[in-house]
Amino acid sequence: EVQLLDSGGGLVQPGGSLRLACAASGFTFSNYAMSWVRQAPGKGLEWVSSISGSGGTTQYTDSVKGRFTISRDNSKNTLYLQMSSLRAEDTAVYYCAKRDHGDNVGGLLHCWGQGTLVTVSS
Amino acid sequence: QVVLTQSPSASASLGASVKLTCTLSSGHSTYGIAWHQQQPEKAPRYLMKVNSDGSLNKGDGIPDRFSGSSSGTERYLTISSLQSDDEADYYCQAWGALVVFGGGTKLTVL
Repeated sequence: EVQLLDSGGGLVQPGGSLRLACAASGFTFSNYAMSWVRQAPGKGLEWVSSISGSGGTTQYTDSVKGRFTISRDNSKNTLYLQMSSLRAEDTAVYYCAKRDHGDNVGGLLHCWGQGTLVTVSS
Repeated sequence: QVVLTQSPSASASLGASVKLTCTLSSGHSTYGIAWHQQQPEKAPRYLMKVNSDGSLNKGDGIPDRFSGSSSGTERYLTISSLQSDDEADYYCQAWGALVVFGGGTKLTVL
């Protein structure tokens, strides 16, 4: 059974940093692209970033470019999102998601983590 | 980049059927989309992929009450025999250069 377990959320001050993690199991992690999607309170889903299976290709939505870094450790079956220069508008639940098939970046999101809440506030 | 448009809300009675629409921006009629369901306070769940030819790829355990179809730049999710726990937000998702979501439709079961 595919499982994605998100962690690392919390309360952080504006300008601060936080690293999210997504522990994956039940599939060959390195064979699949992965993504981060966020949902601000009361709002819809917003794609944040994607990474290819090898980690060699990454994509970001414009609002986080230069501030967030997606990465993965295929030996630990774990996806990461390093967030810096955090702003109030980054407050959201962050979900990791697995691509349906293939390791090309992006794609159809087929399986979701349970989410982790990031609150940016002073 | 493809843009997805959804009506913000929909409603239907318990036991009835409802058809939700996701409209692809002009020039993207060959795109397939995915439908995701998000029940209150829960993570999203993948329901199905709807291809431009109307063929489907449903997620594991998704009931037969959930079906999809396609016409031109519109992709549909039909839910029949509505149950109370079908009350949820439904999002369509596409992928091209980047991953894109529609704004979501909040379904109320009366």
